[in-house]
Amino acid sequence: GAGVSQSPSNKVTEKGKDVELRCDPISGHTALYWYRQSLGQGLEFLIYFQGNSAPDKSGLPSDRFSAERTGGSVSTLTIQRTQQEDSAVYLCASSLGFLAGRDTQYFGPGTRLTVL
Amino acid sequence: AQSVAQPEDQVNVAEGNPLTVKCTYSVSGNPYLFWYVQYPNRGLQFLLKYITGDNLVKGSYGFEAEFNKSQTSFHLKKPSALVSDSALYFCAAYNQGGKLIFGQGTELSVKP
Repeated sequence: GAGVSQSPSNKVTEKGKDVELRCDPISGHTALYWYRQSLGQGLEFLIYFQGNSAPDKSGLPSDRFSAERTGGSVSTLTIQRTQQEDSAVYLCASSLGFLAGRDTQYFGPGTRLTVL
Repeated sequence: AQSVAQPEDQVNVAEGNPLTVKCTYSVSGNPYLFWYVQYPNRGLQFLLKYITGDNLVKGSYGFEAEFNKSQTSFHLKKPSALVSDSALYFCAAYNQGGKLIFGQGTELSVKP
């Protein structure tokens, strides 16, 4: 079946602009995660959605970052007033969600964000 | 603090030789451990996981990993490396808060 998809694959923006990154999880997966992958920082957890529960936003680095998940499926990560340090690859993952803390997460190809 | 460590930034292996990519972990409670591989400009692909049971876990593409509780290690292995195995490998573990934490990654280079 189809895997996790993300769009756009690449995004170049100017400092101060807002950007939206999209993630389509695997059908039937109730859990969705966003990560940021930066050189020298490794993989950094951003936010976690599980079903209809309130999302775990504990990894969001600032209030310029937000995410929503509509209808329990597609998710959008929004970065407002982008800064150069936001340049990174943003990865989305999804999992079945039945075994919190044990689930295998399946990753999308990522969106490479470059802030000029 | 709960963490995952991959002590080698890079591992170089000749094609046909066995390979090992090292991982150690420090998490509370029972460890749930994963290996992922990342090819250039691609997302992470799941290779294998340890939840419970046999200490030797077999995964995709001929990879396996050995869970060692006393040494808190979960090293990734393959008996015979291929040039196409060259990629970035990540070890990961769930922490007590239910979040997947990753090692810094190990670049595997397999030369013909």
